[in-house]
Amino acid sequence: EAAVTQSPRSKVAVTGGKVTLSCHQTNNHDYMYWYRQDTGHGLRLIHYSYVADSTEKGDIPDGYKASRPSQENFSLILELASLSQTAVYFCATGGSQNTLYFGAGTRLSVL
Amino acid sequence: GEQVEQRPPHLSVREGDSAVITCTYTDPNSYYFFWYKQEPGASLQLLMKVFSSTEINEGQGFTVLLNKKDKRLSLNLTAAHPGDSAAYFCAVSERNYAQGLTFGLGTRVSVFP
Repeated sequence: EAAVTQSPRSKVAVTGGKVTLSCHQTNNHDYMYWYRQDTGHGLRLIHYSYVADSTEKGDIPDGYKASRPSQENFSLILELASLSQTAVYFCATGGSQNTLYFGAGTRLSVL
Repeated sequence: GEQVEQRPPHLSVREGDSAVITCTYTDPNSYYFFWYKQEPGASLQLLMKVFSSTEINEGQGFTVLLNKKDKRLSLNLTAAHPGDSAAYFCAVSERNYAQGLTFGLGTRVSVFP
């Protein structure tokens, strides 16, 4: 049974619209992460959180917000979606020895 | 910050042959090292993790070598089979580092008969 569940699995959004990507975990891990994957760029860290009600900026936070309302849930919010935010987004939880466990990903297309 | 260079970006391997993917990193404080496998359209699955000093870990059909002196991590696919066709990513982190992992750009492996 999937321990990191992302929704939706795919999304088509219009430029300037608001998009919310959700992540739910049953790993009981404190750390949660949002990564973005683009062809040729590997995975890049957007935001992360180590406790509920607190989030931290990663390497590429511009244009994104994050929310951690509980230990289990972590959302990524695009207030004004842009074409450049078309990508695959992965949520991950951080376990022992810094091991990351990934969700299935959300494919976002901004038109 | 940490930089991870992964080579080659693409690899075509005949079934039964071996192949090597190499990552070099810059941060001498790097402590945990990982290989992840991503099949087309799927998520990243942990293949193996290594840490500490020079180390060789063997899994099912692959060997991972860590050389901290040279700051090099390698993945050796032995006797490649079609199920090995995927993208492989190396990742690195310091020992007590909250900001997740730093990933290489990945290697797309295609195994042909």
